[in-house]
Amino acid sequence: QSALTQPPSVSGSPGQSVTISCTGTSSDVGGYNRVSWYQQPTGTAPKLMIHEVTNRPSGVPDRFSGSKSGNTASLTISGLQAEDEADYYCSSYRSSNTLVFGGGTKLTVL
Amino acid sequence: QVQLQESGPGLVKPSETLSLTCTVSGASISSSSYYWGWIRQPPGKGLEWIGIIYYSGNTYYNPSLKSRVTISVDTSKNQFSLKLSSVTAADTAVYYCARQYAYGTWYSDLWGRGTLVTVSS
Repeated sequence: QSALTQPPSVSGSPGQSVTISCTGTSSDVGGYNRVSWYQQPTGTAPKLMIHEVTNRPSGVPDRFSGSKSGNTASLTISGLQAEDEADYYCSSYRSSNTLVFGGGTKLTVL
Repeated sequence: QVQLQESGPGLVKPSETLSLTCTVSGASISSSSYYWGWIRQPPGKGLEWIGIIYYSGNTYYNPSLKSRVTISVDTSKNQFSLKLSSVTAADTAVYYCARQYAYGTWYSDLWGRGTLVTVSS
């Protein structure tokens, strides 16, 4: 099954804001509020950052926020910090009880 | 605290069956609040969802892998397992087990550390 579309890379300086997009279809991102975002520093397991489009789990800084418009979801990180450098993946429920991930975006903090 | 730990062979020959087990500690796998699943990540590539299982045995699989995948649960051992048949080099990946919140939310809030499985003769 085809993956959701994310930009391969984004970058920003400390203190700036960056936004990572995640584009799907009406059968996944656009059709359900079941979009999640994961952070994966090099060599570690993914960590949940956002679930159900906008919800932050306990312990995730409020610098991380999620949104959705049509078939595109977005993760915004404000007040960038060096520790935010990682790969970020979106995921979405897709019709017929399956889950699909995005291809991943590498965030570089300059 | 709740932890997930993957275990199994790190090397599998082509055409054989890959078998992994995930042991859950600190919580019961029979909780009605969670599904238990597998996700993989080929070296240098992105994440791919494999499938999930409920403690009752109900399963959902990635359509592209469905013909080769079986996920099972052993509530007496607090474990769930993955079998992937007829493997090729393309199945070489880090395999993660994860806890997926139920109630139609489809997100994984807890992951194992992952285990690398290499398919090679």
